[in-house]
Amino acid sequence: AQSVAQPEDQVNVAEGNPLTVKCTYSVSGNPYLFWYVQYPNRGLQFLLKYITGDNLVKGSYGFEAEFNKSQTSFHLKKPSALVSDSALYFCAVRGMDSSYKLIFGSGTRLLVRP
Amino acid sequence: EPEVTQTPSHQVTQMGQEVILRCVPISNHLYFYWYRQILGQKVEFLVSFYNNEISEKSEIFDDQFSVERPDGSNFTLKIRSTKLEDSAMYFCASRGQGQDLQGYTFGSGTRLTVV
Repeated sequence: AQSVAQPEDQVNVAEGNPLTVKCTYSVSGNPYLFWYVQYPNRGLQFLLKYITGDNLVKGSYGFEAEFNKSQTSFHLKKPSALVSDSALYFCAVRGMDSSYKLIFGSGTRLLVRP
Repeated sequence: EPEVTQTPSHQVTQMGQEVILRCVPISNHLYFYWYRQILGQKVEFLVSFYNNEISEKSEIFDDQFSVERPDGSNFTLKIRSTKLEDSAMYFCASRGQGQDLQGYTFGSGTRLTVV
C-alpha cells in the first residue's frame, strides 16, 4: 500500500534561515510526489511535484524539493524562510490504483519567527 | 488559470439534517475527488468518481454519503443525516488525463459545521 510520512508535527525556523520540511514515502513502482501548502482557513495550494527527471524540483514561492530514491524521501526546502511562509504543509503521493487518488501525509506546521 | 469552485464556503447545519456540498470542476477534467479535513488535521480521501460512477471510496464514505454529477458540470457530495463528527473542511479536486494525468486542482473548500 502507498503511504506518506511527515515525521515532524511542527518545524520552527527564524526568518532568513534555510528551512526543511521532511517527507518520506512508500510506494510500489515509480512515485508521483507532491507538496501542498494550506494557509489558515484556506484551501490546498499546489507548490510543486515530482514525476520524473531532475531530482531537484523547483516550485512556487521559492520552494524546492529533492527527490531521493535511495532514501525514499522528498523533503521540501527553501534557502531563506519568510514569516509569510508560516502555514501547514502537506506531502502527498499519487496512489497506484485505478482512481489515482492523492494520499496525504499528516502535515507539518511551519512557524517562521521574525 | 482554471479553478475548481466550491459552494458554499461555509455551512452550518443541525445534526440529522441533509447537506449538499457543491463543486464545479475544471471543464475538461474527467476525474473527480472529495477529501475531508477535520480541523487542522490530515487530509483524508473520501471518494473518487470517473465516467459517472464511483471508482473508489474510503471507509469513511459510508451509506450516509453519496456523490452525483447531475448535469455534466456540477459534482456534489451529499450527507444524508449529518453527525457532529462530520464537522470538517471538505475539499473537491479534479484532474485531467494523458499529459495532465499528474495535475490535481483543489477547490478552496467548504467548512461544514454540524451543531
